[in-house]
Amino acid sequence: NAGVMQNPRHLVRRRGQEARLRCSPMKGHSHVYWYRQLPEEGLKFMVYLQKENIIDESGMPKERFSAEFPKEGPSILRIQQVVRGDSAAYFCASSLGGRERYEQYFGPGTRLTVT
Amino acid sequence: AQSVTQLGSHVSVSEGALVLLRCNYSSSVPPYLFWYVQYPNQGLQLLLKYTTGATLVKGINGFEAEFKKSETSFHLTKPSAHMSDAAEYFCAVSAWGNSGYSTLTFGKGTMLLVSP
Repeated sequence: NAGVMQNPRHLVRRRGQEARLRCSPMKGHSHVYWYRQLPEEGLKFMVYLQKENIIDESGMPKERFSAEFPKEGPSILRIQQVVRGDSAAYFCASSLGGRERYEQYFGPGTRLTVT
Repeated sequence: AQSVTQLGSHVSVSEGALVLLRCNYSSSVPPYLFWYVQYPNQGLQLLLKYTTGATLVKGINGFEAEFKKSETSFHLTKPSAHMSDAAEYFCAVSAWGNSGYSTLTFGKGTMLLVSP
């Protein structure tokens, strides 16, 4: 049973370019969460999605960042016009629904470097 | 709102020594508590969790943690450290709110260093 998959694992973008990060949840999981990890910091919640719905985006910057989880295909975290401060590791997690939502399984992360 | 404080960004132990990583939490509702481990350039792996019931929980790789409500703590311990335990450890809290869902709030992490 494949775990949470993220790609690419490493992404280098120049300032002003767009970054698209992909996350495929574990089989059977319909809840996806995105977190950002900055150096010397823990993981910070960004956004929580179910299929075709954004449930909570309170941790996501208001500008340049967006996320989606379409009916078919992976969840996408999109960062437009990247800046050096966006350099971080971005982790996706997935969970079952209902009372099992608290148990989240993490992917290996995408490490974004903005030059 | 909930928060997590991990005391000590780095903890060093000798192989075979006791491991103690400290975690204190703040939550306005009964919390679910977690410890995750992260090896270099990898994702997070769940070590153990507390939801309800027994306050001493056992996890993988010989780790355990005890939920102490009166102290708002959830410290992680292992009787005898192994070189392979060297990694970064994160404590996290998830609290169900009126909205019916919650997300994880993480501490800043503790890097465990194990020397021969």
